[in-house]
Amino acid sequence: DAKTTQPNSMESNEEEPVHLPCNHSTISGTDYIHWYRQLPSQGPEYVIHGLTSNVNNRMASLAIAEDRKSSTLILHRATLRDAAVYYCILRDNNNAGNMLTFGGGTRLMVKP
Amino acid sequence: AAGVIQSPRHLIKEKRETATLKCYPIPRHDTVYWYQQGPGQDPQFLISFYEKMQSDKGSIPDRFSAQQFSDYHSELNMSSLELGDSALYFCASSLTPAGTDEQYFGPGTRLTVT
Repeated sequence: DAKTTQPNSMESNEEEPVHLPCNHSTISGTDYIHWYRQLPSQGPEYVIHGLTSNVNNRMASLAIAEDRKSSTLILHRATLRDAAVYYCILRDNNNAGNMLTFGGGTRLMVKP
Repeated sequence: AAGVIQSPRHLIKEKRETATLKCYPIPRHDTVYWYQQGPGQDPQFLISFYEKMQSDKGSIPDRFSAQQFSDYHSELNMSSLELGDSALYFCASSLTPAGTDEQYFGPGTRLTVT
């Protein structure tokens, strides 16, 4: 699987936007960009995914660079509940039985 | 909405004992994944099943085995337990194994080996 690089940790104030970056310079044409997060003492939780175009859902927005070598997860108004480890993961849609390869996520801390 | 169910939620075993973890996927989900998360570590993929057949294998020790049954629930069997097996074990399910399908995770089983 192509590798992703994320900052180890980031801090944000409550109710402010948060931009979580991810670099994936070796991404292939069939790789989807997925974001999952893991809140303390819980299982990972799907956030969003995309291929080329920017995506929005009720949880977040995903901005994908034109060359697809980087992406940014955007939380529009951080809440205390958003404090979690955020993982950027590439998944090849051609590969059935797709496991998630977690590694090097960003620990987001939200200050009240 | 129904979620992934795992049982038991907590399990304490001694070294060299065996343990069986159970996972009940979301209804109509035919793909199940098992992950192991050691203390302070990221989740690591162990094994997955699609339509009751093993589809992928990760860093699963030979002492562990798993299967998916006709009702799509899955069991992870762990034998000759070692102290290093102490971890959170997550099960996840998805509607299909496609790379675009999100995986839904259960609350995990915390295994402590003493």
